[in-house]
Amino acid sequence: AQSVTQPDIHITVSEGASLELRCNYSYGATPYLFWYVQSPGQGLQLLLKYFSGDTLVQGIKGFEAEFKRSQSSFNLRKPSVHWSDAAEYFCAVGGTNFGNEKLTFGTGTRLTIIP
Amino acid sequence: NAGVTQTPKFQVLKTGQSMTLQCAQDMNHEYMSWYRQDPGMGLRLIHYSVGAGITDQGEVPNGYNVSRSTTEDFPLRLLSAAPSQTSVYFCASSSARLDLENNEQFFGPGTRLTVL
Repeated sequence: AQSVTQPDIHITVSEGASLELRCNYSYGATPYLFWYVQSPGQGLQLLLKYFSGDTLVQGIKGFEAEFKRSQSSFNLRKPSVHWSDAAEYFCAVGGTNFGNEKLTFGTGTRLTIIP
Repeated sequence: NAGVTQTPKFQVLKTGQSMTLQCAQDMNHEYMSWYRQDPGMGLRLIHYSVGAGITDQGEVPNGYNVSRSTTEDFPLRLLSAAPSQTSVYFCASSSARLDLENNEQFFGPGTRLTVL
């Protein structure tokens, strides 16, 4: 069965500092990988996704993620965070064995930004 | 284009009561899903549908029923609410092709349900 692990429950970074959120997945075939962001009291918004091709994926709001098959990882990065990036971030996996309707999510990483 | 809408936004039930959470989308998406979000557990799939008349169970289906009579609507029914069903519920929709450049799963704003 597919699964996603986000090992960091809560991360605090200073505004302007770089950010990396970790995501490890387990899936038997080529995975489709996603990062979503959820602001307090809101639904989820897609930041970026990986299906194939270039393993470095660019997303919205200045985020990028790198797919590393050998490490089963899909870490999210941002070179310089802004106070508005404070939110909860979810990594998710889908795949060719099932479609877009059945994503498996990680437990999330809450990001706090300090001035 | 309203996207994915959910009603109500908030609901309080007593144990044993029934209710239906409504979800509608106006993007003509084939796929629709229901998730519940609990602290420290991320989102877990309850039920999903790949088209009108077709539904299937997700990871945590017990206590919930769904039906899909139209492309637009995908209601979630709680037949006899239990305190363990206190959660935030999200509906999502997408088109069938996950790998298309402009395809993504769109989420509704959520319904916060409390069962006393």
